[in-house]
Amino acid sequence: NAGVTQTPKFRVLKTGQSMTLLCAQDMNHEYMYWYRQDPGMGLRLIHYSVGEGTTAKGEVPDGYNVSRLKKQNFLLGLESAAPSQTSVYFCASLAGTANTGELFFGEGSRLTVL
Amino acid sequence: SQKIEQNSEALNIQEGKTATLTCNYTNYSPAYLQWYRQDPGRGPVFLLLIRENEKEKRKERLKVTFDTTLKQSLFHITASQPADSATYLCAMTYSGYALNFGKGTSLLVTP
Repeated sequence: NAGVTQTPKFRVLKTGQSMTLLCAQDMNHEYMYWYRQDPGMGLRLIHYSVGEGTTAKGEVPDGYNVSRLKKQNFLLGLESAAPSQTSVYFCASLAGTANTGELFFGEGSRLTVL
Repeated sequence: SQKIEQNSEALNIQEGKTATLTCNYTNYSPAYLQWYRQDPGRGPVFLLLIRENEKEKRKERLKVTFDTTLKQSLFHITASQPADSATYLCAMTYSGYALNFGKGTSLLVTP
């Protein structure tokens, strides 16, 4: 089982460029999430989706957009990258409910914005 | 506002000893708390879930306690090994759809 797969694993952007991070899961999970992790800040929720065609804002949504056109995929877009978006991005999917379920994480995508 | 606090200082212990990590929280009700392990350069991995009506949960060498009066969970690793060295994150559900994470505590087990 592949679990949760993120692409790309590494990317360097210049300020103002755009890019999309792709997350794919093969576990038929309804809920999917994008987090960012910065030193000293922990994991912070950017956006999440409770099912195909739905998205919702998390704690730090500004500067990001998401789409969930297919149940297995959750895309995170940066329309105009800023240095403050330099971070490690983690995608996760949820087995069960948010209260009692288990999050499965991808290996992360390391983004540097110059 | 909802907060999850973990000791930001790294915990260094000797192999064979019991490691105890703390997670304090405010304004989560009902309370469901999870513990994850994260190795450098990897995504977090789920370890244990404890519900607010459970006082204690065990899994192999891991033990989690939950005190809803103190609003605190303790995570214990007994007979610790160097392979247990990692960052441990606690997380709690909010809005019924997502989890908030603490900043994590780094554990180093030395031989």
